[in-house]
Amino acid sequence: ELQLLGSGGGLVQPGGSLRLSCAASGFTFSSYAMSWVRQAPGKGLEWVSVISGSGANIHHTDSVKGRFTISRDNSKNTLYLQMNSLRAEDTALYYCVKHYYYDGSTNYWYFDLWGRGTLVAVSS
Amino acid sequence: DIQMTQSPSSVSASVGDRVTITCRASQGIFSWLAWYQQKPGKAPKLLIYAASSLQSGVPSRFSGSGSGTDFTLTISSLQPEDAATYYCQQANSLATFGQGTKVEIK
Repeated sequence: ELQLLGSGGGLVQPGGSLRLSCAASGFTFSSYAMSWVRQAPGKGLEWVSVISGSGANIHHTDSVKGRFTISRDNSKNTLYLQMNSLRAEDTALYYCVKHYYYDGSTNYWYFDLWGRGTLVAVSS
Repeated sequence: DIQMTQSPSSVSASVGDRVTITCRASQGIFSWLAWYQQKPGKAPKLLIYAASSLQSGVPSRFSGSGSGTDFTLTISSLQPEDAATYYCQQANSLATFGQGTKVEIK
């Protein structure tokens, strides 16, 4: 069964750090780009970070550049998000998502598998 | 950055009704657009990709159309299980989501 299991969320003070993990199973992890997408309480979806299958290519949304780092360990089928200098506006449910590859496609920016989400709360 | 604007923000319709949600991109995105369904307390689910391609396992009452800047998601005959929030997402330049459209059953 295809599955993404996020962990590592919690309550942290402003300026603090957290490391999220996402364990993947049921597919060849190293073959797919992966992203983190977040959703603030009662709000919409916001893409945060992406990493290519090899880990060579990485992008972050502007609001987290210099503070968040996405990485992956293909030997452990695990995706990570290191979050530093956390702010109240980073409070959200963080989803680990798999990019969708389909025959004939040149665009891999659709998300076909979502984890259950891990909650990050930044508050003093 | 590409901005995505959905309308309406909410819609209430009866079982069997046809429901249409629109999504407008701030610049042309060809057909690089997806639609997701999110039920309360659940992760989003991919319904449509490449503007009009139905994801495997998604009921055929869902359809997508459009290209360039204007896109539409249509539910041809609304069912009780379709109550959810629907998001569009541009896939032309990284990813940006619309603000969501809540579909309620009368």
